[in-house]
Amino acid sequence: AQSVTQPDIHITVSEGASLELRCNYSYGATPYLFWYVQSPGQGLQLLLKYFSGDTLVQGIKGFEAEFKRSQSSFNLRKPSVHWSDAAEYFCAVGNIGALNFGKGTSLLVTP
Amino acid sequence: DSGVTQTPKHLITATGQRVTLRCSPRSGDLSVYWYQQSLDQGLQFLIQYYNGEERAKGNILERFSAQQFPDLHSELNLSSLELGDSALYFCASSVDRGGYNEQFFGPGTRLTVL
Repeated sequence: AQSVTQPDIHITVSEGASLELRCNYSYGATPYLFWYVQSPGQGLQLLLKYFSGDTLVQGIKGFEAEFKRSQSSFNLRKPSVHWSDAAEYFCAVGNIGALNFGKGTSLLVTP
Repeated sequence: DSGVTQTPKHLITATGQRVTLRCSPRSGDLSVYWYQQSLDQGLQFLIQYYNGEERAKGNILERFSAQQFPDLHSELNLSSLELGDSALYFCASSVDRGGYNEQFFGPGTRLTVL
């Protein structure tokens, strides 16, 4: 069965520092992978997605993610974090319509 | 603003009651998805409708049902409510049937069962 693991429940970074959020997946076929962000009291917004092709994908708000098949990973990165990036981040794998989400990583940004 | 609307925003009800959550997809989107977000279970897929027909089913309880109407809006019906049904219920929509394009999420309906 497919699954998504986000090992870090909480991450704290200083404003201006780099960020990497980890995501590991288990899926039999070629996965369709997504990163979504949820700000407090808001719905989810798509940051980026990977279907095929270039394994380094660029998203909105300066985020990027790299698909590594050998490690079953799809980690999200940002070179310099802004205070407005504080939110909950979800990795998801798509399967015939349904999105299977990880438990999420809560990002706290300190001054 | 994703273009997906959900009503009501908040709903407070008692155990054993029945409620209906409503979702209007983005203009042009044929697929509607329902998700439940709770502290213990996280974000879980419930069900998908495509152009009026059920397309995929997830961890949806038998007490829950959904439908998509000819104008493409969707309703999620929750009956015989239990305390554990308290959660944030999201609706999402996409243009395609397979869900490989972006799903646009509504702001959610927060259900509190007392």
